[in-house]
Amino acid sequence: KAGVTQTPRYLIKTRGQQVTLSCSPISGHRSVSWYQQTPGQGLQFLFEYFSETQRNKGNFPGRFSGRQFSNSRSEMNVSTLELGDSALYLCASSAGQGVPGELFFGEGSRLTVL
Amino acid sequence: EDQVTQSPEALRLQEGESSSLNCSYTVSGLRGLFWYRQDPGKGPEFLFTLYSAGEEKEKERLKATLTKKESFLHITAPKPEDSATYLCAVQAIRAGNNRKLIWGLGTSLAVNP
Repeated sequence: KAGVTQTPRYLIKTRGQQVTLSCSPISGHRSVSWYQQTPGQGLQFLFEYFSETQRNKGNFPGRFSGRQFSNSRSEMNVSTLELGDSALYLCASSAGQGVPGELFFGEGSRLTVL
Repeated sequence: EDQVTQSPEALRLQEGESSSLNCSYTVSGLRGLFWYRQDPGKGPEFLFTLYSAGEEKEKERLKATLTKKESFLHITAPKPEDSATYLCAVQAIRAGNNRKLIWGLGTSLAVNP
């Protein structure tokens, strides 16, 4: 069974640019969550999508947005990049019902903003 | 405010030297507590779910326990391949369908051969 796939794995952008990250969940999983991970803040929840609808949202500015497609694949977008957006962005999939904390994570997209 | 604190931040053990990692939490009501392992450059890997005080779960050299205020991850006779960052997350009981997890900053474990 294929795991969660995130692309791209690494990317470098400059301030003011925008970026789109992609996540393909485990087959059959309908929930996709996005997290930002930095050394000082740890894992910070961005949002969760379930069956193409945003089900939960973290405390991030509107520059961070996401969507989910009918095949459960998800994308997140960050506009007007700032230096502080440099982080590892992790996608996690789950069946979406039952226990919410049993998540399957991808390897992440490491974003560097210069 | 809901909070999860892990200690110590870093731990270095000799192979075979057993120890425990701590995860203390402050939430209005606990729905579940979760342990994950994260290797460098990888995403976290799910280990255990604990729901109520007194519950224990085991997997190979790892055993997780839960009280009303904290959880311990006991590592018995660790091997170098147990070196990783161990993360704890909590889901609090909230109104509606709020499934957000609150994460600790993790304990970085290094096991020397």
